[in-house]
Amino acid sequence: DAMVIQNPRYQVTQFGKPVTLSCSQTLNHNVMYWYQQKSSQAPKLLFHYYDKDFNNEADTPDNFQSRRPNTSFCFLDIRSPGLGDAAMYLCATSVPDRGTQYFGPGTRLTVL
Amino acid sequence: TQLLEQSPQFLSIQEGENLTVYCNSSSVFSSLQWYRQEPGEGPVLLVTVVTGGEVKKLKRLTFQFGDARKDSSLHITAAQPGDTGLYLCAGARPGGYQKVTFGTGTKLQVIP
Repeated sequence: DAMVIQNPRYQVTQFGKPVTLSCSQTLNHNVMYWYQQKSSQAPKLLFHYYDKDFNNEADTPDNFQSRRPNTSFCFLDIRSPGLGDAAMYLCATSVPDRGTQYFGPGTRLTVL
Repeated sequence: TQLLEQSPQFLSIQEGENLTVYCNSSSVFSSLQWYRQEPGEGPVLLVTVVTGGEVKKLKRLTFQFGDARKDSSLHITAAQPGDTGLYLCAGARPGGYQKVTFGTGTKLQVIP
């Protein structure tokens, strides 16, 4: 089945220790997104790629970076995680003609 | 700033009851999605509506897109414990399908 996969599902890191979250898709969608979601709130868009074009949200901290080496994979790098970065991180994909996004299961990040 | 206000914010009902969740905005959307998210998981797409006045049914769930495409509702008939979760609406603006505006979310608890 075509899907969006996120690894790992749970990630524990230490304050200030870099961490990378990964996302892959078998949907062959042009657009990939990274969202941050804190307890029962709406997801907050960090950035998205339209093919190789990177689009950063104005209020996304510099601490968050992303890479998309090919259509299928996208990575979220948190350079120096703080306690406030503990959250669920969601990857999503879409084709840019309707707005419908397909989400992965998320990675729950804990910062100690 | 585009806002999608959902109401109610929280809802706790007994199994078998009916409920309606509303998603309202002052902006026009070209398409609107409804998602359900269970704790620790990513949002799962329930439906996309694109035509003003459109009604879609998914088993016990009925979705309606307002005539002016500024609002939407989700009605659940005979709620079951499996319906418990966070319900999110999300709208794509005309010409801006890459990004969507998420609603504020409705947390539903169905008590057996």
